[in-house]
Amino acid sequence: TQLLEQSPQFLSIQEGENLTVYCNSSSVFSSLQWYRQEPGEGPVLLVTVVTGGEVKKLKRLTFQFGDARKDSSLHITAAQPGDTGLYLCAGAHTSGAGSYQLTFGKGTKLSVIP
Amino acid sequence: DTGVSQNPRHKITKRGQNVTFRCDPISEHNRLYWYRQTLGQGPEFLTYFQNEAQLEKSRLLSDRFSAERPKGSFSTLEIQRTEQGDSAMYLCASTLSHFGPGTRLLVL
Repeated sequence: TQLLEQSPQFLSIQEGENLTVYCNSSSVFSSLQWYRQEPGEGPVLLVTVVTGGEVKKLKRLTFQFGDARKDSSLHITAAQPGDTGLYLCAGAHTSGAGSYQLTFGKGTKLSVIP
Repeated sequence: DTGVSQNPRHKITKRGQNVTFRCDPISEHNRLYWYRQTLGQGPEFLTYFQNEAQLEKSRLLSDRFSAERPKGSFSTLEIQRTEQGDSAMYLCASTLSHFGPGTRLLVL
């Protein structure tokens, strides 16, 4: 069974602070996705990383994929209240039926206090 | 791109009742996935369709659960004889980047 461990599980910070969320696995994934989910809504894709060592930036968000493609991190610079939400990482792997299945972590619930 | 839609958005039912949820994926996408998300957890894979064919089912999908995708368009997920443990958010997705808003089920 492929598992993804996310840490921390909860994070409450003041507006303007920086933070890093981690996603670790013992398995190798073909790609890794980061999503943000608002209460009562479905996950919204933020980024996909594919290559080991890859770094992608999305405004104040920086995503990194580990060299071995087993771990990833999300760094947010100067957090804003609008960043509040549940951040999920998900590893993609192909199944025998040819589908791309996602294995999700439990998520990091971020609260940014004004 | 009108996105993935799901109906109903919320469903409250009594234990033992049957419920059915609908997912309308993005029209040109031939793949469709169902996931279940319980409180404090990430989504868990339930089943996968390519066009009308159900190609994969998770062990989580007990015999009380059945999913269909007639004509390879919309999909339905039915739960028979609901149990309190079925209370969850049921998410539909077409590709990894397009999730629907989910149907939140509460079984009393």
